[in-house]
Amino acid sequence: GAVVSQHPSWVICKSGTSVKIECRSLDFQATTMFWYRQFPKQSLMLMATSNEGSKATYEQGVEKDKFLINHASLTLSTLTVTSAHPEDSSFYICSASRLRPDITYEQYFGPGTRLTVT
Amino acid sequence: EDKVVQSPLSLVVHEGDTVTLNCSYEVTNFRSLLWYKQEKKAPTFLFMLTSSGIEKKSGRLSSILDKKELSSILNITATQTGDSAIYLCAPRSTQGGSEKLVFGKGTKLTVNP
Repeated sequence: GAVVSQHPSWVICKSGTSVKIECRSLDFQATTMFWYRQFPKQSLMLMATSNEGSKATYEQGVEKDKFLINHASLTLSTLTVTSAHPEDSSFYICSASRLRPDITYEQYFGPGTRLTVT
Repeated sequence: EDKVVQSPLSLVVHEGDTVTLNCSYEVTNFRSLLWYKQEKKAPTFLFMLTSSGIEKKSGRLSSILDKKELSSILNITATQTGDSAIYLCAPRSTQGGSEKLVFGKGTKLTVNP
């Protein structure tokens, strides 16, 4: 159990266009979803945290108008990179967490989306 | 500002060797520390450590947390080529009612046959 999927797995887009990435928890309801970005040879950097039905909380330095996050249901969150530029090219990974009755904290990662902006 | 430092950044060993990976952290309102293994794509969960001094084991992997020293180690004994990966340390912190994982840059482990 606890599988998270992302779609697409890779995408190439032209500068100035927008790209939407989906993150789904397949067999559990995710109370919270997280979006990370990972540049080559760098660690995962948290971009934003979203709870179902409420606005996402963005980390310092992340433009909320550029990276639109929608968390419409307990199994789906989307990240839209608007007016993409080459410097937005990166590996975007989502994760989903649920609170277990024993208060164990678990965060399950999706397989990631490789975005290349030309 | 939250800070996680992992060492070494890179390690090359031969099959059968034992390795120790280090993680030191400074985060706001520390709750627990998680270790992940990242191969080609997304990280996979290894351990979550909450209490100091209690070793968690899973096969050839083990990990322990030292809250006094703000550090953790991950040991892998009798390494195999399949252990080659980036190992990420992520303390969990809380701020303003929300929780997050703060990732280190990772240790890239290469196990040669």
